[in-house]
Amino acid sequence: AQSVSQHNHHVILSEAASLELGCNYSYGGTVNLFWYVQYPGQHLQLLLKYFSGDPLVKGIKGFEAEFIKSKFSFNLRKPSVQWSDTAEYFCAVNAGGYGGATNKLIFGTGTLLAVQP
Amino acid sequence: NAGVTQTPKFQVLKTGQSMTLQCAQDMNHNSMYWYRQDPGMGLRLIYYSASEGTTDKGEVPNGYNVSRLNKREFSLRLESAAPSQTSVYFCASSEAGTQRNYGYTFGSGTRLTVV
Repeated sequence: AQSVSQHNHHVILSEAASLELGCNYSYGGTVNLFWYVQYPGQHLQLLLKYFSGDPLVKGIKGFEAEFIKSKFSFNLRKPSVQWSDTAEYFCAVNAGGYGGATNKLIFGTGTLLAVQP
Repeated sequence: NAGVTQTPKFQVLKTGQSMTLQCAQDMNHNSMYWYRQDPGMGLRLIYYSASEGTTDKGEVPNGYNVSRLNKREFSLRLESAAPSQTSVYFCASSEAGTQRNYGYTFGSGTRLTVV
């Protein structure tokens, strides 16, 4: 079965610090990968997604992620965080390409990021 | 605004009571999903519907039932609520089978407390 691991459960950074959140998945075939963000009291919003092609994916709000197939990883990065980036971040994977049979996503347990001003 | 609408936003139930969470999307998406979100456990899939007329179990289906009423609506029912079902429930929809968009659109959630 597919699974997604996010090893950083809680990260605290100061403004302007660089961010890298880890995400590893277990599935040997073609995958689609996603990062979602949930701001306090809100629903999930898509940050970025990888289907194929350039393994370095750029998303909204200055976030980017790199797909490293050999490491089964899809880490999220941002060069300089802001207080407004305080949120919970979820990595998710869909196996099988083209959405597979049902396009269902498996989520990691999330990383809570707190940015101190 | 287009998107996924969930009702109610908040609900308190007594153990053993039943209720239905409603979800509707107006994006003409084929697939719809119910997740529950619990602290430290991320989002876990309860049930999903790949297309109108089909439903399937996800990771944590016990204690729940679903109905895909039509292409727009996908409801989640708790027949006999238990305290372990206290959670935030999210409905989502997506465009299945194409490469245009694999992201989900999420509703704003239902915060359910079972006492």
